[in-house]
Amino acid sequence: DAGVTQSPTHLIKTRGQQVTLRCSPKSGHDTVSWYQQALGQGPQFIFQYYEEEERQRGNFPDRFSGHQFPNYSSELNVNALLLGDSALYLCASSLIGRNYGYTFGSGTRLTVV
Amino acid sequence: GIQVEQSPPDLILQEGANSTLRCNFSDSVNNLQWFHQNPWGQLINLFYIPSGTKQNGRLSATTVATERYSLLYISSSQTTDSGVYFCAVGLGGTSYGKLTFGQGTILTVHP
Repeated sequence: DAGVTQSPTHLIKTRGQQVTLRCSPKSGHDTVSWYQQALGQGPQFIFQYYEEEERQRGNFPDRFSGHQFPNYSSELNVNALLLGDSALYLCASSLIGRNYGYTFGSGTRLTVV
Repeated sequence: GIQVEQSPPDLILQEGANSTLRCNFSDSVNNLQWFHQNPWGQLINLFYIPSGTKQNGRLSATTVATERYSLLYISSSQTTDSGVYFCAVGLGGTSYGKLTFGQGTILTVHP
């Protein structure tokens, strides 16, 4: 049973560019959440998608947007990249209505230069 | 928003030693989880424990919800236990599904 798959694993972008990160949830899960983890910090919640809609959002600017597809996979888009966007981006999948069973991917490490 | 504080921030042990990690949170929660982040960045779920006590091998966890803290116990530590341990909490209602993480405890186990 495949877990959460994220791509790419590493990415280097230039300030001002746009980036798209991808996440395939664990089989049987229908909810995808995205987190940003800066170096030495705990992950911070960006947003959550269920039924192809953004259900919750953390304290992140509109430069951060997302999408969920009918097969439950998801994308995170970041526009107008800043140096401070450099971080590990983690995707977590879960089943709506359940507090347990969160499964995280290995993340995408984004470096903005 | 809810605050999550973990202690200690760093912990260095010799193999075979026991340790206790603490997580304090500022509000009532309906979701509390402990994670281990391995060197490759993946967060591995250790326990879902909004209240009570659970054990899994050498690891156990206790959450006292009324006093707003949780403890993670690691016994007979091994070098493979090294990494960062995170406590994460969630509220119900409109915040359902969102996890708020603490800053983590960096555990280093020496052979």
